Amino acid sequence: SQQGEEDPQALSIQEGENATMNCSYKTSINNLQWYRQNSGRGLVHLILIRSNEREKHSGRLRVTLDTSKKSSSLLITASRAADTASYFCATANSNSGYALNFGKGTSLLVTP
Amino acid sequence: DAGVTQSPTHLIKTRGQQVTLRCSPKSGHDTVSWYQQALGQGPQFIFQYYEEEERQRGNFPDRFSGHQYPNYSSELNVNALLLGDSALYLCASGEREHRKNIQYFGAGTRLSVL
Repeated sequence: SQQGEEDPQALSIQEGENATMNCSYKTSINNLQWYRQNSGRGLVHLILIRSNEREKHSGRLRVTLDTSKKSSSLLITASRAADTASYFCATANSNSGYALNFGKGTSLLVTP
Repeated sequence: DAGVTQSPTHLIKTRGQQVTLRCSPKSGHDTVSWYQQALGQGPQFIFQYYEEEERQRGNFPDRFSGHQYPNYSSELNVNALLLGDSALYLCASGEREHRKNIQYFGAGTRLSVL
């Protein structure tokens, strides 16, 4: 079963705008990761945030984590057409062991 | 330095047949995990191999089996294929000692069962 659920399912913006996508999960976690997938190909790791962290930055990416609400958000600033992809959150906890639990993803379309 | 490589890229099979998918992990990685991704869904964990043994298994039937070789490469075997097995199969590698469990994915094998 899916641990995380991303929202919205799809998002369409123009280049230069910011894109925000959210992830909610059900059980306690050790960390939460965000991955990107282009056109049904392999996933690429973007950023990881530990359960004791509240915010993390990497380039144009900003991730927040609210463990009390069991939710995370990924912000992509100044989006580019190359950011068009599906974005997934993945959680890991002591129950899941080595398995990453993925949500259904947010499909992002950035138009020039 | 090659990343995770998977073969073949695409595969078409008929119901009841058997299929073998192959994966070579990223250099320096010793764990291999397999995921199934149905259209419009997120990847679902099948199992993970480490030291040539299945270390953890997801909620998949015994028709799904695997193997890991001494060079860390891995195979995923699916027997008695069903239409519902049509999906993108992703291989991911990582380092056992990497507590963050960051996974590096291959481009996947798209399996179509007719």
